Amino acid sequence: EAGVAQSPRYKIIEKRQSVAFWCNPISGHATLYWYQQILGQGPKLLIQFQNNGVVDDSQLPKDRFSAERLKGVDSTLKIQPAKLEDSAVYLCASSPRTVQETQYFGPGTRLLVL
Amino acid sequence: DQQVKQNSPSLSVQEGRISILNCDYTNSMFDYFLWYKKYPAEGPTFLISISSIKDKNEDGRFTVFLNKSAKHLSLHIVPSQPGDSAVYFCAAVRMDSSYKLIFGSGTRLLVRP
Repeated sequence: EAGVAQSPRYKIIEKRQSVAFWCNPISGHATLYWYQQILGQGPKLLIQFQNNGVVDDSQLPKDRFSAERLKGVDSTLKIQPAKLEDSAVYLCASSPRTVQETQYFGPGTRLLVL
Repeated sequence: DQQVKQNSPSLSVQEGRISILNCDYTNSMFDYFLWYKKYPAEGPTFLISISSIKDKNEDGRFTVFLNKSAKHLSLHIVPSQPGDSAVYFCAAVRMDSSYKLIFGSGTRLLVRP
Protein backbone atom coordinates (compact mmCIF):
# COMPACT_ATOMS: atom_id res chain seq x y z
CA GLU A 1 0.00 0.00 0.00
CA ALA A 2 1.48 3.34 -1.06
CA GLY A 3 1.85 5.92 1.68
CA VAL A 4 0.95 9.59 1.76
CA ALA A 5 2.84 11.48 -0.94
CA GLN A 6 3.87 15.11 -0.66
CA SER A 7 5.69 17.51 -2.94
CA PRO A 8 7.90 19.39 -3.06
CA ARG A 9 10.09 18.05 -0.25
CA TYR A 10 11.91 21.36 0.18
CA LYS A 11 11.12 24.94 -0.74
CA ILE A 12 12.98 28.20 -0.17
CA ILE A 13 11.20 31.48 -0.89
CA GLU A 14 11.47 35.10 0.09
CA LYS A 15 8.94 36.77 2.34
CA ARG A 16 5.85 38.09 0.60
CA GLN A 17 6.13 35.42 -2.11
CA SER A 18 3.54 32.72 -2.52
CA VAL A 19 4.01 28.97 -2.28
CA ALA A 20 1.88 25.86 -2.74
CA PHE A 21 2.21 22.34 -1.38
CA TRP A 22 0.59 19.21 -2.75
CA CYS A 23 -0.60 16.06 -0.99
CA ASN A 24 -1.87 12.74 -2.27
CA PRO A 25 -3.36 10.68 0.56
CA ILE A 26 -3.51 6.91 0.87
CA SER A 27 -6.02 5.51 -1.61
CA GLY A 28 -9.49 5.29 -0.13
CA HIS A 29 -8.78 7.48 2.87
CA ALA A 30 -11.68 9.85 3.39
CA THR A 31 -10.05 12.21 5.86
CA LEU A 32 -7.08 14.44 5.09
CA TYR A 33 -5.17 16.72 7.46
CA TRP A 34 -2.59 19.47 7.04
CA TYR A 35 -0.24 20.17 9.96
CA GLN A 36 2.39 22.81 10.57
CA GLN A 37 5.43 21.74 12.57
CA ILE A 38 7.71 24.55 13.68
CA LEU A 39 11.21 23.56 14.78
CA GLY A 40 11.20 22.29 18.36
CA GLN A 41 7.43 21.92 18.50
CA GLY A 42 4.93 19.19 17.80
CA PRO A 43 2.69 19.21 14.73
CA LYS A 44 -0.22 21.63 14.91
CA LEU A 45 -3.39 20.96 12.93
CA LEU A 46 -4.15 23.62 10.32
CA ILE A 47 -7.11 22.08 8.51
CA GLN A 48 -9.03 18.81 8.33
CA PHE A 49 -11.07 17.61 5.36
CA GLN A 50 -13.69 14.87 5.27
CA ASN A 51 -13.87 13.94 1.59
CA ASN A 52 -13.89 17.42 0.00
CA GLY A 53 -15.58 19.23 2.87
CA VAL A 54 -13.83 21.13 5.67
CA VAL A 55 -14.32 19.65 9.15
CA ASP A 56 -12.01 21.94 11.13
CA ASP A 57 -10.03 24.97 10.01
CA SER A 58 -10.07 26.84 13.30
CA GLN A 59 -6.26 27.16 13.42
CA LEU A 60 -5.74 28.08 9.78
CA PRO A 61 -4.56 31.71 9.35
CA LYS A 62 -7.15 32.44 6.71
CA ASP A 63 -5.75 35.83 5.77
CA ARG A 64 -2.78 34.13 4.13
CA PHE A 65 -3.36 30.38 4.11
CA SER A 66 -5.82 28.50 1.94
CA ALA A 67 -6.42 24.85 1.24
CA GLU A 68 -8.62 22.81 -1.02
CA ARG A 69 -9.34 19.18 -1.65
CA LEU A 70 -10.90 18.80 -5.05
CA LYS A 71 -12.83 15.59 -5.78
CA GLY A 72 -12.07 14.39 -2.27
CA VAL A 73 -8.63 13.04 -3.14
CA ASP A 74 -5.56 15.27 -3.63
CA SER A 75 -5.15 18.47 -1.68
CA THR A 76 -3.15 21.67 -1.99
CA LEU A 77 -2.14 24.10 0.73
CA LYS A 78 -1.20 27.63 -0.30
CA ILE A 79 0.46 30.48 1.52
CA GLN A 80 0.16 33.97 0.08
CA PRO A 81 1.99 36.11 1.07
CA ALA A 82 4.53 34.17 3.12
CA LYS A 83 6.04 35.54 6.34
CA LEU A 84 9.27 34.63 8.06
CA GLU A 85 7.35 32.82 10.82
CA ASP A 86 5.83 30.45 8.25
CA SER A 87 9.18 28.62 8.08
CA ALA A 88 8.25 25.10 9.17
CA VAL A 89 7.62 21.57 7.98
CA TYR A 90 4.15 21.13 6.51
CA LEU A 91 2.86 17.63 7.06
CA CYS A 92 -0.07 15.99 5.33
CA ALA A 93 -1.81 13.02 6.93
CA SER A 94 -4.79 10.85 6.08
CA SER A 95 -7.05 8.37 7.82
CA PRO A 96 -9.73 6.00 6.56
CA ARG A 97 -12.56 7.89 8.23
CA THR A 98 -13.16 10.86 10.49
CA VAL A 99 -13.67 8.81 13.61
CA GLN A 100 -10.23 7.34 13.40
CA GLU A 101 -7.56 7.93 15.93
CA THR A 102 -4.64 6.71 13.84
CA GLN A 103 -3.39 9.06 11.16
CA TYR A 104 -0.81 8.22 8.50
CA PHE A 105 1.67 10.97 7.75
CA GLY A 106 3.56 11.91 4.63
CA PRO A 107 7.26 12.92 4.71
CA GLY A 108 6.44 16.62 4.84
CA THR A 109 7.54 19.72 2.94
CA ARG A 110 10.23 21.80 4.61
CA LEU A 111 9.65 25.50 3.92
CA LEU A 112 12.23 28.19 4.56
CA VAL A 113 11.11 31.81 4.21
CA LEU A 114 13.97 34.31 3.89
CA ASP B 1 -1.69 27.10 26.21
CA GLN B 2 0.11 23.78 25.92
CA GLN B 3 -2.40 21.05 26.63
CA VAL B 4 0.12 18.25 26.05
CA LYS B 5 3.62 18.61 27.45
CA GLN B 6 6.78 16.59 27.03
CA ASN B 7 9.19 18.23 29.43
CA SER B 8 12.29 16.27 28.45
CA PRO B 9 13.61 17.43 25.07
CA SER B 10 16.10 14.58 24.93
CA LEU B 11 16.97 11.24 26.50
CA SER B 12 20.03 9.04 26.10
CA VAL B 13 20.09 5.37 27.13
CA GLN B 14 22.37 2.40 26.68
CA GLU B 15 21.35 -0.35 24.27
CA GLY B 16 19.49 -3.11 26.11
CA ARG B 17 18.33 -0.86 28.93
CA ILE B 18 14.87 0.59 29.45
CA SER B 19 13.83 3.90 27.88
CA ILE B 20 11.06 5.83 29.65
CA LEU B 21 9.49 8.77 27.88
CA ASN B 22 7.03 10.93 29.76
CA CYS B 23 4.05 13.05 28.79
CA ASP B 24 1.69 15.24 30.82
CA TYR B 25 -1.64 16.70 29.80
CA THR B 26 -3.91 19.33 31.27
CA ASN B 27 -7.29 18.70 29.63
CA SER B 28 -9.27 16.07 31.53
CA MET B 29 -11.58 15.69 28.50
CA PHE B 30 -8.90 13.84 26.54
CA ASP B 31 -9.89 10.20 26.30
CA TYR B 32 -7.43 8.69 23.86
CA PHE B 33 -3.65 8.96 23.76
CA LEU B 34 -1.13 8.02 21.12
CA TRP B 35 2.61 7.85 20.67
CA TYR B 36 4.19 8.62 17.32
CA LYS B 37 7.79 8.03 16.31
CA LYS B 38 9.62 10.26 13.84
CA TYR B 39 12.88 9.67 12.00
CA PRO B 40 14.69 12.58 10.31
CA ALA B 41 13.20 13.61 6.95
CA GLU B 42 10.21 11.33 7.46
CA GLY B 43 6.70 11.91 8.73
CA PRO B 44 5.61 10.66 12.15
CA THR B 45 4.51 7.01 12.28
CA PHE B 46 2.00 5.61 14.71
CA LEU B 47 3.57 3.50 17.45
CA ILE B 48 1.08 2.64 20.18
CA SER B 49 -2.07 4.04 21.76
CA ILE B 50 -4.19 3.75 24.89
CA SER B 51 -7.78 4.51 25.75
CA SER B 52 -8.58 6.37 28.95
CA ILE B 53 -10.51 3.35 30.21
CA LYS B 54 -7.25 1.42 30.47
CA ASP B 55 -4.10 2.03 32.46
CA LYS B 56 -1.72 -0.07 30.39
CA ASN B 57 -1.29 -1.21 26.81
CA GLU B 58 1.53 -3.41 25.61
CA ASP B 59 2.83 -4.17 22.12
CA GLY B 60 6.06 -6.13 21.98
CA ARG B 61 8.86 -4.04 23.42
CA PHE B 62 6.61 -1.02 23.81
CA THR B 63 4.29 -0.39 26.76
CA VAL B 64 2.26 2.72 27.45
CA PHE B 65 1.05 3.49 30.96
CA LEU B 66 -1.71 5.97 31.76
CA ASN B 67 -2.28 7.60 35.15
CA LYS B 68 -5.51 9.56 34.76
CA SER B 69 -5.48 11.05 38.24
CA ALA B 70 -2.05 12.53 37.59
CA LYS B 71 -2.84 13.32 33.94
CA HIS B 72 0.36 11.55 33.02
CA LEU B 73 1.37 8.89 30.55
CA SER B 74 4.64 7.22 29.81
CA LEU B 75 6.12 5.06 27.08
CA HIS B 76 8.47 2.26 28.09
CA ILE B 77 10.76 0.64 25.58
CA VAL B 78 12.41 -2.58 26.76
CA PRO B 79 15.00 -3.50 25.67
CA SER B 80 16.07 -0.35 23.85
CA GLN B 81 17.76 -0.79 20.47
CA PRO B 82 19.83 1.64 18.38
CA GLY B 83 17.05 1.63 15.76
CA ASP B 84 14.74 3.15 18.36
CA SER B 85 16.72 6.40 18.15
CA ALA B 86 14.16 8.94 16.94
CA VAL B 87 11.90 11.73 18.14
CA TYR B 88 8.85 10.51 20.02
CA PHE B 89 5.66 12.57 20.11
CA CYS B 90 2.85 12.11 22.56
CA ALA B 91 -0.61 13.09 21.29
CA ALA B 92 -4.05 13.33 22.85
CA VAL B 93 -7.53 13.43 21.38
CA ARG B 94 -11.12 13.94 22.45
CA MET B 95 -13.25 11.24 20.90
CA ASP B 96 -16.40 13.38 21.10
CA SER B 97 -14.96 16.23 19.07
CA SER B 98 -13.39 16.46 15.63
CA TYR B 99 -10.73 13.89 16.51
CA LYS B 100 -8.15 16.66 16.48
CA LEU B 101 -4.77 15.34 17.64
CA ILE B 102 -2.98 17.63 20.10
CA PHE B 103 0.74 16.90 20.04
CA GLY B 104 3.45 17.46 22.60
CA SER B 105 6.76 18.99 21.56
CA GLY B 106 8.57 15.66 21.35
CA THR B 107 11.46 13.89 23.06
CA ARG B 108 14.56 12.93 21.12
CA LEU B 109 15.72 9.47 22.16
CA LEU B 110 19.27 8.33 21.52
CA VAL B 111 20.07 4.68 22.15
CA ARG B 112 23.84 4.21 22.44
CA PRO B 113 25.31 0.92 21.19
